[in-house]
Amino acid sequence: DIQMTQSPSTLSASVGDRVIITCRASQSISTWLAWYQQKPGEAPKLLIYKASSLESGVPSRFSGSGSGTEFTLTISSLQPDDFATYYCQQYNSYRTFGQGTKVEIK
Amino acid sequence: DVQLVESGGGLVQPGGSLRLSCSASGFTLGNYATHWVRQAPGKGLEYVSGISGNGGNKYYADSVKGRFTISRDNSKNTLSLQLSSLRPEDTAVYYCATSSSYDLLTGYFHYWGQGTLVAVSS
Repeated sequence: DIQMTQSPSTLSASVGDRVIITCRASQSISTWLAWYQQKPGEAPKLLIYKASSLESGVPSRFSGSGSGTEFTLTISSLQPDDFATYYCQQYNSYRTFGQGTKVEIK
Repeated sequence: DVQLVESGGGLVQPGGSLRLSCSASGFTLGNYATHWVRQAPGKGLEYVSGISGNGGNKYYADSVKGRFTISRDNSKNTLSLQLSSLRPEDTAVYYCATSSSYDLLTGYFHYWGQGTLVAVSS
């Protein structure tokens, strides 16, 4: 099974900050990686697919990069609506989620 | 509008059974592989089960293999998950999600339902 490891687990940041979340796969997954945002009491929402493709309707301050085993999600200028938990997911072989990164207010 | 609506959750005793349903509207569910993901209280997302667009291929996480059964009825645009031999550690919100692909093995999760809570307790 492919394991996904996110870092950090929690991130404290201020509005306007640049935020970077890292996701590592236990083996190469090419670019078969998605990022989701989840707010309390809500279902996850797709942000990025195929490592760097922005889902329709998602603000351009979100971007993804990486291939193989190392991936990043970047929020260029953190907005109040962005405080949430973020998950990476590999879909190279079945599915595995990272453990999540909670972005909280500093 | 694309919509997925789960139902069937509730409180059940350990060893009991429950059947979850996911109803789709605004699109043809049978065109996509469909999946169940769960989230225990305060925890992360866990991939539980998936089924290909025609129902011919199925996947179960080791944690539920032999106890849960996934099925679909494309004529009714619905997905189901039969939960049996339930344990306290099965307590979670269960989400259905459609893949971006017809194939079970590939595709990210494009659309999600709002979730249904399953609580296993005596």
